[in-house]
Amino acid sequence: DAKTTQPPSMDCAEGRAANLPCNHSTISGNEYVYWYRQIHSQGPQYIIHGLKNNETNEMASLIITEDRKSSTLILPHATLRDTAVYYCIVSNAGGTSYGKLTFGQGTILTVHP
Amino acid sequence: KAGVTQTPRYLIKTRGQQVTLSCSPISGHRSVSWYQQTPGQGLQFLFEYFSETQRNKGNFPGRFSGRQFSNSRSEMNVSTLELGDSALYLCASSRTGGGLYNEQFFGPGTRLTVL
Repeated sequence: DAKTTQPPSMDCAEGRAANLPCNHSTISGNEYVYWYRQIHSQGPQYIIHGLKNNETNEMASLIITEDRKSSTLILPHATLRDTAVYYCIVSNAGGTSYGKLTFGQGTILTVHP
Repeated sequence: KAGVTQTPRYLIKTRGQQVTLSCSPISGHRSVSWYQQTPGQGLQFLFEYFSETQRNKGNFPGRFSGRQFSNSRSEMNVSTLELGDSALYLCASSRTGGGLYNEQFFGPGTRLTVL
């Protein structure tokens, strides 16, 4: 699976958009970009994933660059409950990656009042 | 729809003992993955089961094993516990473990403390 690079920490004001970047320059054609978050030692929570098109769901938007070497997770209106560690993960569709997500260190997002 | 459940939530064991952790996946999910989370190593993949077969395995010693039952419920076992096995053990389920529907849904974890 491709390696990802994320900033170790970011701050955001409550009510503002939080934009979390991720670099995955070695991503290959069959690899998806996944985002998860983990709040205070709870189990990680799936947020969103995509292959090459931008995606949006009720939690967030995922913007993937045209060359797929980087992506941005957007939380449109951050709240205090969005304070968490955010993980960007690149994973292929099977083979050696069946059921496997490779977590890096993630980005600690702190939302301030 | 009920989420992933794990039992027990907390466990205290002593070195040399063995432990069995249980995971019930979301209804309809056939893939179950297990992870270990420690402050030093972060989240690490242990193994994945699909249709009662282990399809993928991480880099952990043979003391760590698992199995999956026909109803997709899964157990993991750690034998001859060591102090370093103290961790949060997380179980995650997904529909197939691969392809488009590989998003995993995690349980709350079992906090294992080895004394």
